[in-house]
Amino acid sequence: DAGVTQSPTHLIKTRGQQVTLRCSPKSGHDTVSWYQQALGQGPQFIFQYYEEEERQRGNFPDRFSGHQFPNYSSELNVNALLLGDSALYLCASSFVAVQETQYFGPGTRLLVL
Amino acid sequence: GNSVTQMEGPVTLSEEAFLTINCTYTATGYPSLFWYVQYPGEGLQLLLKATKADDKGSNKGFEATYRKETTSFHLEKGSVQVSDSAVYFCALRGNYGGSQGNLIFGKGTKLSVKP
Repeated sequence: DAGVTQSPTHLIKTRGQQVTLRCSPKSGHDTVSWYQQALGQGPQFIFQYYEEEERQRGNFPDRFSGHQFPNYSSELNVNALLLGDSALYLCASSFVAVQETQYFGPGTRLLVL
Repeated sequence: GNSVTQMEGPVTLSEEAFLTINCTYTATGYPSLFWYVQYPGEGLQLLLKATKADDKGSNKGFEATYRKETTSFHLEKGSVQVSDSAVYFCALRGNYGGSQGNLIFGKGTKLSVKP
């Protein structure tokens, strides 16, 4: 049973650039959530996707956007990168119908120079 | 709003010592509570959970009891091992209104176990 997978594992960008991160949910899951984890901090909720729509959003600017595909996989896009966007980006999947526990992928570590 | 507060680390223990990591929460309604563990360079792994008051979650020798009267979910282990060295996060998921989707995490507690 494949767990949550994310790509790429590491990424280096410069300020002002745009980045796309990808996530494939655990088999059987239909909901994907994205979190940002700054160094030494707990993860912060960015947004959640279900049925290809954003159903909930945390306190993040519009530079952060996402998409969910018919196969439930998801992308996180960040535009106009800032130094402060450097973080570990975590994807979590779950099955919304039973409000099941969220399972996390290994994350993508983004460094903005 | 919903929030989680956990004891600040780092926590350093000798092997076979008793572990307690305190976690308290503020939430509307009856949240579900979780402990996640993060090993160096990795993502989060679910350690245990409890979904209603007085539930006890347990896994790999770790335990935590959902105490609604004290709004707490303290993590305990009777005898830690070097392999338990990691960062532990307490989290809640609201079950009310618009908070049902996301997890809210504490800042994490780093545990180091010495041989």
